[in-house]
Amino acid sequence: DVKVTQSSRYLVKRTGEKVFLECVQDMDHENMFWYRQDPGLGLRLIYFSYDVKMKEKGDIPEGYSVSREKKERFSLILESASTNQTSMYLCASSFLGGRAATNEKLFFGSGTQLSVL
Amino acid sequence: AQTVTQSQPEMSVQEAETVTLSCTYDTSENNYYLFWYKQPPSRQMILVIRQEAYKQQNATENRFSVNFQKAAKSFSLKISDSQLGDTAMYFCAFMKSFNRDDKIIFGKGTRLHILP
Repeated sequence: DVKVTQSSRYLVKRTGEKVFLECVQDMDHENMFWYRQDPGLGLRLIYFSYDVKMKEKGDIPEGYSVSREKKERFSLILESASTNQTSMYLCASSFLGGRAATNEKLFFGSGTQLSVL
Repeated sequence: AQTVTQSQPEMSVQEAETVTLSCTYDTSENNYYLFWYKQPPSRQMILVIRQEAYKQQNATENRFSVNFQKAAKSFSLKISDSQLGDTAMYFCAFMKSFNRDDKIIFGKGTRLHILP
């Protein structure tokens, strides 16, 4: 089974700290995504990557950056954490379009609940 | 731009009952993909069911089935013989294609409680 692993289930940080959220997948997926989940707002895409060292902004990239140095790892960085970044962060991965398309889906990690105090 | 709307923020049903979760979407595309994802209390989202727009037949997966009405842009999820383990947040999602530039778009979710 595909595994998408997020390094922390819960994280508490102080305002102004630099925060790293790590995500690793073990299925050689090209695509990786970072979402933010807030009550009543659903999932919002922060950043995604379709290849090593490639990144694309999603719908709410402000205050975030990402790094993809290796295919299996996609990191989300909060350069200076703020209280409005308190949220659940979900990582996901998938094959690039056209491959195994009939069975295509996103595979998700278990999420990191980040609290910024 | 495509949008996905789930009009029921929260629902509760008794165990063994049938429940239907609503989803509507807006697109000008003719071919696309629709999904229902489940997020249980463990938080890991899993795919429940998917539908390709070019297929007229409604997708089914065991107790889960969809009512796909393309003209009405409606994609509801029916859960038959509901079980306590069905308690979860359910997200409807739309995707134009699996090409690099097309991203999946999620609705805001419906929280479903199955009562014993």
